[in-house]
Amino acid sequence: DAGVTQSPTHLIKTRGQHVTLRCSPISGHKSVSWYQQVLGQGPQFIFQYYEKEERGRGNFPDRFSARQFPNYSSELNVNALLLGDSALYLCASSPTGQARGGYTFGSGTRLTVV
Amino acid sequence: AQTVTQSQPEMSVQEAETVTLSCTYDTSESDYYLFWYKQPPSRQMILVIRQEAYKQQNATENRFSVNFQKAAKSFSLKISDSQLGDAAMYFCAYRSVNNDYKLSFGAGTTVTVRA
Repeated sequence: DAGVTQSPTHLIKTRGQHVTLRCSPISGHKSVSWYQQVLGQGPQFIFQYYEKEERGRGNFPDRFSARQFPNYSSELNVNALLLGDSALYLCASSPTGQARGGYTFGSGTRLTVV
Repeated sequence: AQTVTQSQPEMSVQEAETVTLSCTYDTSESDYYLFWYKQPPSRQMILVIRQEAYKQQNATENRFSVNFQKAAKSFSLKISDSQLGDAAMYFCAYRSVNNDYKLSFGAGTTVTVRA
Protein backbone atom coordinates (compact mmCIF):
# COMPACT_ATOMS: atom_id res chain seq x y z
CA ASP A 1 0.00 0.00 0.00
CA ALA A 2 1.20 3.50 -0.77
CA GLY A 3 2.01 5.66 2.22
CA VAL A 4 1.24 9.35 2.59
CA THR A 5 2.39 11.05 -0.59
CA GLN A 6 3.22 14.72 -0.89
CA SER A 7 4.00 16.84 -3.92
CA PRO A 8 6.13 18.51 -4.91
CA THR A 9 9.16 17.34 -2.91
CA HIS A 10 10.98 20.63 -3.32
CA LEU A 11 10.14 24.05 -4.65
CA ILE A 12 11.52 27.54 -4.66
CA LYS A 13 9.27 30.58 -4.62
CA THR A 14 9.79 34.33 -4.51
CA ARG A 15 8.53 36.57 -1.72
CA GLY A 16 4.96 37.66 -2.30
CA GLN A 17 4.08 34.66 -4.44
CA HIS A 18 1.47 32.03 -3.70
CA VAL A 19 2.13 28.30 -3.26
CA THR A 20 -0.03 25.16 -3.21
CA LEU A 21 1.17 21.96 -1.58
CA ARG A 22 -0.60 18.67 -2.05
CA CYS A 23 -1.09 15.57 0.06
CA SER A 24 -2.67 12.18 -0.56
CA PRO A 25 -3.42 10.20 2.59
CA ILE A 26 -3.13 6.47 3.03
CA SER A 27 -6.02 4.70 1.39
CA GLY A 28 -8.90 4.52 3.85
CA HIS A 29 -7.65 7.39 5.98
CA LYS A 30 -10.16 10.21 6.26
CA SER A 31 -8.11 12.70 8.27
CA VAL A 32 -5.24 14.87 7.07
CA SER A 33 -3.09 17.20 9.16
CA TRP A 34 -0.50 19.75 8.10
CA TYR A 35 2.63 20.71 10.02
CA GLN A 36 5.37 23.27 9.43
CA GLN A 37 8.90 22.31 10.43
CA VAL A 38 11.43 25.11 10.39
CA LEU A 39 15.04 23.94 10.20
CA GLY A 40 16.32 22.82 13.58
CA GLN A 41 12.92 22.84 15.25
CA GLY A 42 10.07 20.45 15.89
CA PRO A 43 6.99 20.46 13.66
CA GLN A 44 4.28 23.00 14.41
CA PHE A 45 0.61 22.17 13.83
CA ILE A 46 -1.15 24.15 11.10
CA PHE A 47 -4.45 22.41 10.30
CA GLN A 48 -6.39 19.21 10.64
CA TYR A 49 -9.19 18.17 8.32
CA TYR A 50 -11.54 15.25 8.86
CA GLU A 51 -14.32 14.29 6.49
CA LYS A 52 -13.67 17.53 4.58
CA GLU A 53 -14.28 19.70 7.63
CA GLU A 54 -11.66 21.73 9.48
CA ARG A 55 -11.30 20.29 12.99
CA GLY A 56 -8.46 22.37 14.25
CA ARG A 57 -6.18 25.25 13.36
CA GLY A 58 -2.83 26.21 14.81
CA ASN A 59 -1.44 29.66 15.45
CA PHE A 60 -0.79 30.63 11.85
CA PRO A 61 -1.87 33.77 9.97
CA ASP A 62 -4.79 33.84 7.55
CA ARG A 63 -2.31 33.63 4.69
CA PHE A 64 -2.39 29.91 5.37
CA SER A 65 -5.45 28.00 4.24
CA ALA A 66 -6.28 24.42 3.41
CA ARG A 67 -9.02 22.22 2.13
CA GLN A 68 -9.84 18.55 1.82
CA PHE A 69 -11.42 16.97 -1.21
CA PRO A 70 -14.05 14.21 -1.50
CA ASN A 71 -11.28 11.65 -2.06
CA TYR A 72 -9.69 12.88 1.22
CA SER A 73 -6.64 14.36 -0.44
CA SER A 74 -5.73 17.83 0.74
CA GLU A 75 -4.13 21.08 -0.35
CA LEU A 76 -2.29 23.61 1.76
CA ASN A 77 -2.21 27.11 0.31
CA VAL A 78 0.05 29.92 1.43
CA ASN A 79 -0.43 33.44 0.06
CA ALA A 80 1.94 36.41 0.08
CA LEU A 81 4.96 34.28 0.91
CA LEU A 82 7.50 35.59 3.38
CA LEU A 83 11.10 34.51 3.85
CA GLY A 84 10.03 33.03 7.20
CA ASP A 85 7.70 30.60 5.44
CA SER A 86 10.75 28.65 4.29
CA ALA A 87 10.35 25.25 5.94
CA LEU A 88 9.56 21.60 5.52
CA TYR A 89 5.80 21.11 5.28
CA LEU A 90 4.66 17.75 6.53
CA CYS A 91 1.35 16.06 5.91
CA ALA A 92 0.05 13.35 8.23
CA SER A 93 -2.94 11.07 7.86
CA SER A 94 -4.98 8.91 10.20
CA PRO A 95 -8.08 6.74 9.84
CA THR A 96 -10.16 9.17 11.88
CA GLY A 97 -9.55 12.47 13.59
CA GLN A 98 -8.72 10.62 16.78
CA ALA A 99 -5.39 9.03 16.01
CA ARG A 100 -4.84 7.04 19.18
CA GLY A 101 -2.25 5.04 17.35
CA GLY A 102 -0.44 8.11 16.13
CA TYR A 103 -0.31 9.66 12.71
CA THR A 104 1.45 8.47 9.56
CA PHE A 105 3.58 11.18 8.00
CA GLY A 106 4.72 11.83 4.47
CA SER A 107 8.24 12.85 3.52
CA GLY A 108 7.28 16.49 3.25
CA THR A 109 7.64 19.34 0.82
CA ARG A 110 10.74 21.51 1.24
CA LEU A 111 9.71 25.12 0.48
CA THR A 112 12.37 27.76 0.02
CA VAL A 113 11.27 31.39 -0.27
CA VAL A 114 13.86 33.75 -1.78
CA ALA B 1 -1.25 25.01 25.83
CA GLN B 2 0.93 21.97 26.29
CA THR B 3 4.66 22.39 25.95
CA VAL B 4 7.14 19.61 25.30
CA THR B 5 10.80 20.05 26.22
CA GLN B 6 13.74 18.03 24.97
CA SER B 7 16.80 19.33 26.76
CA GLN B 8 19.41 17.37 24.81
CA PRO B 9 20.06 18.86 21.36
CA GLU B 10 22.53 16.08 20.50
CA MET B 11 23.45 12.65 21.81
CA SER B 12 26.18 10.30 20.64
CA VAL B 13 26.29 6.55 21.25
CA GLN B 14 28.64 3.73 20.37
CA GLU B 15 27.18 0.99 18.20
CA ALA B 16 25.65 -1.79 20.36
CA GLU B 17 25.49 0.51 23.40
CA THR B 18 22.45 2.12 25.03
CA VAL B 19 21.35 5.74 24.88
CA THR B 20 18.53 7.49 26.73
CA LEU B 21 16.75 10.56 25.41
CA SER B 22 14.94 12.89 27.79
CA CYS B 23 11.54 14.52 27.38
CA THR B 24 9.43 16.51 29.80
CA TYR B 25 6.03 18.04 29.19
CA ASP B 26 3.69 20.47 30.82
CA THR B 27 -0.02 19.72 31.06
CA SER B 28 -2.96 20.06 33.41
CA GLU B 29 -4.75 17.11 31.87
CA SER B 30 -4.91 13.66 33.38
CA ASP B 31 -5.38 11.66 30.20
CA TYR B 32 -3.27 12.06 27.09
CA TYR B 33 -0.95 10.24 24.70
CA LEU B 34 2.80 10.52 24.32
CA PHE B 35 4.84 9.55 21.30
CA TRP B 36 8.40 9.28 20.12
CA TYR B 37 8.99 9.88 16.43
CA LYS B 38 12.18 9.31 14.46
CA GLN B 39 13.09 11.55 11.53
CA PRO B 40 16.01 10.26 9.42
CA PRO B 41 17.56 12.32 6.62
CA SER B 42 14.76 11.08 4.35
CA ARG B 43 12.61 13.54 6.35
CA GLN B 44 9.71 11.18 6.94
CA MET B 45 8.51 11.08 10.54
CA ILE B 46 8.35 7.48 11.69
CA LEU B 47 6.45 6.48 14.82
CA VAL B 48 8.79 4.67 17.20
CA ILE B 49 6.64 4.11 20.27
CA ARG B 50 3.51 5.41 21.98
CA GLN B 51 2.31 5.57 25.56
CA GLU B 52 -1.17 6.13 26.93
CA ALA B 53 -1.12 8.15 30.13
CA TYR B 54 -3.68 5.98 31.91
CA LYS B 55 -1.45 2.93 31.51
CA GLN B 56 1.19 2.59 34.19
CA GLN B 57 3.15 -0.04 32.32
CA ASN B 58 5.96 1.37 30.22
CA ALA B 59 5.67 0.73 26.49
CA THR B 60 8.28 -1.40 24.70
CA GLU B 61 8.89 -1.97 20.99
CA ASN B 62 11.82 -4.29 20.35
CA ARG B 63 14.99 -2.31 21.19
CA PHE B 64 13.01 0.80 22.12
CA SER B 65 11.46 1.33 25.53
CA VAL B 66 10.18 4.27 27.51
CA ASN B 67 10.32 5.34 31.13
CA PHE B 68 7.03 7.11 31.76
CA GLN B 69 6.88 9.04 35.03
CA LYS B 70 3.44 10.66 35.10
CA ALA B 71 3.85 12.59 38.33
CA ALA B 72 7.15 14.03 37.13
CA LYS B 73 5.73 14.60 33.63
CA SER B 74 8.70 12.82 32.16
CA PHE B 75 8.82 10.50 29.15
CA SER B 76 12.31 9.26 28.27
CA LEU B 77 13.23 6.94 25.39
CA LYS B 78 15.86 4.23 25.75
CA ILE B 79 17.46 2.77 22.64
CA SER B 80 19.24 -0.49 23.42
CA ASP B 81 21.83 -2.24 21.27
CA SER B 82 22.13 0.88 19.10
CA GLN B 83 22.51 0.33 15.37
CA LEU B 84 23.84 2.60 12.65
CA GLY B 85 20.31 2.86 11.27
CA ASP B 86 19.16 4.45 14.52
CA ALA B 87 20.99 7.66 13.63
CA ALA B 88 18.30 10.31 13.19
CA MET B 89 16.48 13.18 14.82
CA TYR B 90 14.12 12.02 17.56
CA PHE B 91 11.05 14.00 18.56
CA CYS B 92 8.89 13.63 21.62
CA ALA B 93 5.24 14.54 21.05
CA TYR B 94 2.12 15.04 23.16
CA ARG B 95 -1.50 14.67 22.16
CA SER B 96 -4.41 15.60 24.36
CA VAL B 97 -7.44 13.35 24.62
CA ASN B 98 -9.75 16.38 24.75
CA ASN B 99 -8.19 18.44 21.94
CA ASP B 100 -7.17 15.40 20.03
CA TYR B 101 -6.56 16.91 16.66
CA LYS B 102 -2.95 17.95 17.03
CA LEU B 103 0.46 16.79 18.15
CA SER B 104 2.70 19.12 20.14
CA PHE B 105 6.36 18.36 19.44
CA GLY B 106 9.56 19.06 21.27
CA ALA B 107 12.57 20.60 19.52
CA GLY B 108 14.18 17.23 18.92
CA THR B 109 17.39 15.38 19.77
CA THR B 110 19.92 14.42 17.12
CA VAL B 111 21.30 10.93 17.73
CA THR B 112 24.64 9.99 16.21
CA VAL B 113 25.77 6.35 16.26
CA ARG B 114 29.53 5.72 16.19
CA ALA B 115 30.74 2.55 14.47
